[in-house]
Amino acid sequence: GQSLEQPSEVTAVEGAIVQINCTYQTSGFYGLSWYQQHDGGAPTFLSYNALDGLEETGRFSSFLSRSDSYGYLLLQELQMKDSASYFCAVRDESGYALNFGKGTSLLVTP
Amino acid sequence: DGGITQSPKYLFRKEGQNVTLSCEQNLNHDAMYWYRQDPGQGLRLIYYSQIVNDFQKGDIAEGYSVSREKKESFPLTVTSAQKNPTAFYLCASSLQGTLNTEAFFGQGTRLTVV
Repeated sequence: GQSLEQPSEVTAVEGAIVQINCTYQTSGFYGLSWYQQHDGGAPTFLSYNALDGLEETGRFSSFLSRSDSYGYLLLQELQMKDSASYFCAVRDESGYALNFGKGTSLLVTP
Repeated sequence: DGGITQSPKYLFRKEGQNVTLSCEQNLNHDAMYWYRQDPGQGLRLIYYSQIVNDFQKGDIAEGYSVSREKKESFPLTVTSAQKNPTAFYLCASSLQGTLNTEAFFGQGTRLTVV
């Protein structure tokens, strides 16, 4: 089977840095991606890691360790608008179905 | 503008009725997906399709049906066999292939059984 584990909730202060972890189990690995979803809205793609290491895109970075089946999303200089749910996702063993974790609800406080 | 469109945004259904949710994309994507979202459950895959006239069941396909007669369209029917259909339904599309996992989502349809 396949599973993705991430914390259900994280709270952080505006201007701070927060890390959202994701551990996965899958028989075929094709990379780890991250999505953001504001309340009631559509999820939007943030980043994708196929190889080990850190990918940086502005205030957001994503890290992958394939040997540990682990990745994280790092959000820097947090802003109130970053309050949202964040999902990690992987393809299934066929490489076609895209499966998501249960999501981490991030609350940014003043 | 290229994108993926779901309609309607809100839908009410009486118990025992079938209802069809629309999903159209003009991104020329081969792959399309349907997800169900309940509070605290994340996105659960209902069905997905890689090419026209072909689709596969996801984790929670029971009580749902789909068709893929055109590349642009992937409608989802919620049948009376689905015992708890009230949820937020999201449609997505992506390029074919395993290296690019960026999926584009519609704005969703919120279905309520009354």
